[in-house]
Amino acid sequence: AQKITQTQPGMFVQEKEAVTLDCTYDTSDPSYGLFWYKQPSSGEMIFLIYQGSYDQQNATEGRYSLNFQKARKSANLVISASQLGDSAMYFCAMSPGNTPLVFGKGTRLSVIA
Amino acid sequence: DGGITQSPKYLFRKEGQNVTLSCEQNLNHDAMYWYRQDPGQGLRLIYYSQIVNDFQKGDIAEGYSVSREKKESFPLTVTSAQKNPTAFYLCASSMPGVANTEAFFGQGTRLTVV
Repeated sequence: AQKITQTQPGMFVQEKEAVTLDCTYDTSDPSYGLFWYKQPSSGEMIFLIYQGSYDQQNATEGRYSLNFQKARKSANLVISASQLGDSAMYFCAMSPGNTPLVFGKGTRLSVIA
Repeated sequence: DGGITQSPKYLFRKEGQNVTLSCEQNLNHDAMYWYRQDPGQGLRLIYYSQIVNDFQKGDIAEGYSVSREKKESFPLTVTSAQKNPTAFYLCASSMPGVANTEAFFGQGTRLTVV
């Protein structure tokens, strides 16, 4: 069965510091995609970054980077230079093969001024 | 602008009533999905459809029904058989089979049983 585990229910980070949100996954499918989404209090889901299972390099999108360690089945999100607007829920998700996204339970990030 | 529209944003239902949540997309995506989110929880898949006139059950389909008569539309009916329907419902769409393509989400519908 496909599964995403996010072990940090909540995280605090000082403004302008970097923070790492953990994500581990489990799948037997060799082809899969890994995604991170941000959910502000308004409820919308905002796509942040994507990593394919065959990608050799870690994905980066502006201040977001994905630390992909395939052997350990981990896909941690790194946010650099945190801003107050980064305070939100963050979800790791996986799409094995051609199947719908499977989500973790999320991590609530709070950025402190 | 292209996107996904969910309506209504807030919905109140009396116990024993069926209600239908609307989801429309103009992204020309083949696949559409319904997820349920409970407080402090992740998203759980209710139903999905990868092509018109076809859909599959997700992990928590009991008490829900869907239809996919048009590519643009994927309405979700919460029936009276759903024992605990109060939740936040999110609709999404994507182009399956295309690498590096994310799912796009609507703004959500918050359903409350009164």
